[in-house]
Amino acid sequence: SQQGEEDPQALSIQEGENATMNCSYKTSINNLQWYRQNSGRGLVHLILIRSNEREKHSGRLRVTLDTSKKSSSLLITASRAADTASYFCATDAETGGFKTIFGAGTRLFVKA
Amino acid sequence: DAGVTQSPTHLIKTRGQHVTLRCSPISGHKSVSWYQQVLGQGPQFIFQYYEKEERGRGNFPDRFSARQFPNYSSELNVNALLLGDSALYLCASSHRTGGTQPQHFGDGTRLSIL
Repeated sequence: SQQGEEDPQALSIQEGENATMNCSYKTSINNLQWYRQNSGRGLVHLILIRSNEREKHSGRLRVTLDTSKKSSSLLITASRAADTASYFCATDAETGGFKTIFGAGTRLFVKA
Repeated sequence: DAGVTQSPTHLIKTRGQHVTLRCSPISGHKSVSWYQQVLGQGPQFIFQYYEKEERGRGNFPDRFSARQFPNYSSELNVNALLLGDSALYLCASSHRTGGTQPQHFGDGTRLSIL
């Protein structure tokens, strides 16, 4: 089963608008990561936020983490058509060995 | 530097056959992880290897096995293939094991079972 669940499942916006994606998880984490995947390609790492951090920025990306609610959000500002992709959150679990658990993803479509 | 490379890119097999997928990590990376991604879903963790030892295993049957070689490349083997094994198989490498490292992914092997 997948620990992370992204919301919404799909999002369609106009170029220049902001896109917000949310992720919820079930167990305690050490950190949470966001990845992007273009159709038919591998995943690309975007940003990592540690459990003791509340917010992190990288270029047009802003990630927040609320460990009390077991949730994270990814904000992409001033979106571009090239941002069209699937976005996944991933958490680590170390019970019975190490595992990385991905959510089902949010499919973002940015219209030019 | 070359990224993570996977071979083959596409593969067609029939039920009951065996398949071997290969992965070469980024130079200097000692950890390799394997994932299965079914269309429309997120990647499912299969294995992680670090320094040639298994460090993590996902909820997959014993038909799935893997190993890591002294040069840190890795193979994923799947026996007695089922229709449900059709998926994109992704390999990712990182410097070390554990979840504090960003993972670098290859573009995957698309496996189709007929």
